[in-house]
Amino acid sequence: DADVTQTPRNRITKTGKRIMLECSQTKGHDRMYWYRQDPGLGLRLIYYSFDVKDINKGEISDGYSVSRQAQAKFSLSLESAIPNQTALYFCATSDFKTVGTDTQYFGPGTRLTVL
Amino acid sequence: QKEVEQNSGPLSVPEGAIASLNCTYSDRGSQSFFWYRQYSGKSPELIMSIYSNGDKEDGRFTAQLNKASQYVSLLIRDSQPSDSATYLCAVKSSGSARQLTFGSGTQLTVLP
Repeated sequence: DADVTQTPRNRITKTGKRIMLECSQTKGHDRMYWYRQDPGLGLRLIYYSFDVKDINKGEISDGYSVSRQAQAKFSLSLESAIPNQTALYFCATSDFKTVGTDTQYFGPGTRLTVL
Repeated sequence: QKEVEQNSGPLSVPEGAIASLNCTYSDRGSQSFFWYRQYSGKSPELIMSIYSNGDKEDGRFTAQLNKASQYVSLLIRDSQPSDSATYLCAVKSSGSARQLTFGSGTQLTVLP
């Protein structure tokens, strides 16, 4: 089984709809992240969480919200989807127990299309 | 100015050649540097990390870091068609948030 899973893998929705993307991990990592990827723009950080009670905005948080339901679960919501939120969304996890490394491991991605 | 810069490519090399991928960064206090490989439609996977000046080798991959020049590179020796992918450079900031900042990636094609 994959260590980091994302659901759904693909989603097509309409402008104005509320959408939730879910991420679960079995790696036991304390840190979780949400990124979006657009062609030619690389990965951009939306939100990150260092533990259940610590949630932080990233570079492009406007229009998004998150919930860290448990150490293993981190959800991303689009309250009212708009077409320019069409992108590939990745969840990632990392473990800072080993100081100085904090390598991030990515889930398989969710391809979201907003019509 | 983008914080992490990579040549977008595409970069094409013949099979068996050395592929050289370059990355510059703006945050002089950055301490951790990563190279991820991403196949089309797939998630990024870590191939190398480097934290100290100099070279770090792992199989056919060598990462090179020069903090004075704010430059990190990835060399792929004996390139194979299976190395064809987009390579993402990522830099961990020196700020309290310690976030990863990604470059936009270099698309590499290894020609048989």
